[in-house]
Amino acid sequence: EAGVAQSPRYKIIEKRQSVAFWCNPISGHATLYWYQQILGQGPKLLIQFQNNGVVDDSQLPKDRFSAERLKGVDSTLKIQPAKLEDSAVYLCASSGRESGGELFFGEGSRLTVL
Amino acid sequence: AQSVTQLDSQVPVFEEAPVELRCNYSSSVSVYLFWYVQYPNQGLQLLLKYLSGSTLVESINGFEAEFNKSQTSFHLRKPSVHISDTAEYFCAVQRSSNTGKLIFGQGTTLQVKP
Repeated sequence: EAGVAQSPRYKIIEKRQSVAFWCNPISGHATLYWYQQILGQGPKLLIQFQNNGVVDDSQLPKDRFSAERLKGVDSTLKIQPAKLEDSAVYLCASSGRESGGELFFGEGSRLTVL
Repeated sequence: AQSVTQLDSQVPVFEEAPVELRCNYSSSVSVYLFWYVQYPNQGLQLLLKYLSGSTLVESINGFEAEFNKSQTSFHLRKPSVHISDTAEYFCAVQRSSNTGKLIFGQGTTLQVKP
């Protein structure tokens, strides 16, 4: 069974530029999550989708971050404009009824903002 | 709201020695508890979980954790560690009435020395 796919694995940009990350969850998983993991800290939930609807985006900095899951399958997380403090690993996870609610994580996209 | 505190940021230990990684949580509602492991340059993997039933849960690679409701703890233990156990370990909590939205601790780096 294919796992959660994320791309790109690494991205280096300058501040004020924009960046987009893509995530393809495990087939059939209705719930998709984006987490931000800053170096030395635990992952923090940015946004949670159930199918193509947003369940929780309370910690998403909406002035610069946006995310969509238009067809209820893959998802894109965008940052525009990026700040130095956005340097982090962006983790995508998915879960479904058949997984008993267990979250499966992708390998993450490491962003460095210079 | 829930929160998780991992009491040690780094735990150095010699190979074949026992280890305990400490985790305390705070919640006004019943919760599920998890330990995830992150090997270098890899995604988060579920190590073990407590949902209900026996308070002692085990993983396939020799780790165990005990849910202690009175002390609000979920410490991770292994009687004899291997070099390959070197990784970052994250404790996480989830409301038992809600699937998803894991809240993570800050992480503990386990460094196993030969």
